[in-house]
Amino acid sequence: DQQVKQNSPSLSVQEGRISILNCDYTNSMFDYFLWYKKYPAEGPTFLISISSIKDKNEDGRFTVFLNKSAKHLSLHIVPSQPGDSAVYFCAASGEGQNFVFGPGTRLSVLP
Amino acid sequence: KAGVTQTPRYLIKTRGQQVTLSCSPISGHRSVSWYQQTPGQGLQFLFEYFSETQRNKGNFPGRFSGRQFSNSRSEMNVSTLELGDSALYLCASSLGLVWGRLETQYFGPGTRLLVL
Repeated sequence: DQQVKQNSPSLSVQEGRISILNCDYTNSMFDYFLWYKKYPAEGPTFLISISSIKDKNEDGRFTVFLNKSAKHLSLHIVPSQPGDSAVYFCAASGEGQNFVFGPGTRLSVLP
Repeated sequence: KAGVTQTPRYLIKTRGQQVTLSCSPISGHRSVSWYQQTPGQGLQFLFEYFSETQRNKGNFPGRFSGRQFSNSRSEMNVSTLELGDSALYLCASSLGLVWGRLETQYFGPGTRLLVL
């Protein structure tokens, strides 16, 4: 049973436009969420996090939104750049738990 | 500050052999977690060590084991390798638990294992 889902395996966006990556979770005990970016042949790189006491967190071009009632979070990248092309993973954890990762979404930013 | 390092980066083994992978965490980090990534799969959690003790374990067979040393370096061992063990093995380190929650994990580049 997948506790963290990323239902879009891939997404293509034009350079300069907004990229929106979605993530859903089923475990109501999750209260801390992370987004990672992964290039081929490299380990995942931490991007941004959010805890359940907030519904939004911004860091430069990256913003994460959390909707606890819907058990849904999203990562917005504005404006998208070709260097953002990568696989994006969301991860969730709760008290005493290790992180559970989603299957990833491959983002392609077209020039 | 140096990042998480993993050795070796690439490895080719045959079925039935065993393998040991090594991970050196970020200085000051005491938690080390191991993950397996296969094509089409997300990161599957193997186990987490903190202060030389296994604190959490994922749903993998006993052929997968690990340990952590007093300097927080960690090793992962897979015995009796199977073709399905071919994967990217990732190590991640973090400071540990804060208010009962695992702090953000930082990943190494991974070890790509191919079992023939």
